[in-house]
Amino acid sequence: SAVISQKPSRDICQRGTSLTIQCQVDSQVTMMFWYRQQPGQSLTLIATANQGSEATYESGFVIDKFPISRPNLTFSTLTVSNMSPEDSSIYLCSATQHEQYFGPGTRLTVT
Amino acid sequence: EDQVTQSPEALRLQEGESSSLNCSYTVSGLRGLFWYRQDPGKGPEFLFTLYSAGEEKEKERLKATLTKKESFLHITAPKPEDSATYLCAVQGTSGGSNYKLTFGKGTLLTVNP
Repeated sequence: SAVISQKPSRDICQRGTSLTIQCQVDSQVTMMFWYRQQPGQSLTLIATANQGSEATYESGFVIDKFPISRPNLTFSTLTVSNMSPEDSSIYLCSATQHEQYFGPGTRLTVT
Repeated sequence: EDQVTQSPEALRLQEGESSSLNCSYTVSGLRGLFWYRQDPGKGPEFLFTLYSAGEEKEKERLKATLTKKESFLHITAPKPEDSATYLCAVQGTSGGSNYKLTFGKGTLLTVNP
């Protein structure tokens, strides 16, 4: 199974700023994903991070707000831009290696 | 659009008291149904994938089953360390992403000693 790490594990940010979350996988994987988990809500897919091309965003999520990079087969970043309190959530990275595995998450609080 | 509904939202059991968690789903075409365990402050931990109706999988005290409309996660003689939120997700054949998982809200299981 893939082992996934994320940095930072948590952060408190001010409204209007941006935060970049890093995701590192211990082996090369084809597919990487970014999810959001809001209190009392289901895990929701933000986008699929494609290596060598632009990310594919789900309905309700846009590149200007959540730019994603995927420079190689083991690493991806998600930026939460121009943050508002509504962006307070847990952001999770996942990768597919036969099954879909998840990182520990980044808990973001926007004040 | 794929949908997943889990019940109950919360379940409290005594140690050794067996029970089942339910996951009802609607999907245009099922690629797979997934069960995860999530502990507080951690990411989901993969448990099982089921691909077709009638399939069953077991791991320690957990057994997952699948029908065409729902899946059950049976917990036999649970222990306090089984306390966690259990998440169900489906992967369907519709939509742009072949790997997209649609999750339910989860069942919070508490097992008292």
